[in-house]
Amino acid sequence: GAVVSQHPSRVICKSGTSVKIECRSLDFQATTMFWYRQFPKQSLMLMATSNEGSKATYEQGVEKDKFLINHASLTLSTLTVTSAHPEDSSFYICSAPQQGIPSGANVLTFGAGSRLTVL
Amino acid sequence: GEDVEQSLFLSVREGDSSVINCTYTDSSSTYLYWYKQEPGAGLQLLTYIFSNMDMKQDQRLTVLLNKKDKHLSLRIADTQTGDSAIYFCAESSRKNTGFQKLVFGTGTRLLVSP
Repeated sequence: GAVVSQHPSRVICKSGTSVKIECRSLDFQATTMFWYRQFPKQSLMLMATSNEGSKATYEQGVEKDKFLINHASLTLSTLTVTSAHPEDSSFYICSAPQQGIPSGANVLTFGAGSRLTVL
Repeated sequence: GEDVEQSLFLSVREGDSSVINCTYTDSSSTYLYWYKQEPGAGLQLLTYIFSNMDMKQDQRLTVLLNKKDKHLSLRIADTQTGDSAIYFCAESSRKNTGFQKLVFGTGTRLLVSP
């Protein structure tokens, strides 16, 4: 089945540095990918929709300049957390529409997630 | 806006049935989903149901949908310790063309004891 690979799985960085997280669709093309953020013991919050060949669409309240999204190709989307601070520490998960599903079912395949810790 | 709610915690004994409940507010929901998340991992799709269906069964999993009450449930038969995880309910609705975003519930942590 469709696999979404996310890297790195864990990253620890110092406050003020930038961190890049990659999301790749393996063996299928994803013109759209979704980036979620999950706080401990809480639900997933959609941050933005990544679109190949055009700008990302950000959800209300998400800072575009803080969370840079680049959909470089049909199989790769990246999320860069710029000038990270401790409050950016979280679990970030990417996803892509699953292949072979009836049109309209909106099923997502998720990456394994990236845990960011900012010291 | 859309809202999806679940109870936070459920504890069962191995071999019992588990029932995880979910309520949603969007009456235009077209599909509803159940995802499973194991510790430190992404989400895995368990099953989904189209809004014109009342029930869907897949091996040990049974999904019941009461569209009138906007209530969705997931029943896991013969629950095993490996079923311990967080279960998320999600919904999507057809407002525009193309892929619709999913709205997730708060997640129910299922703990299965031997």
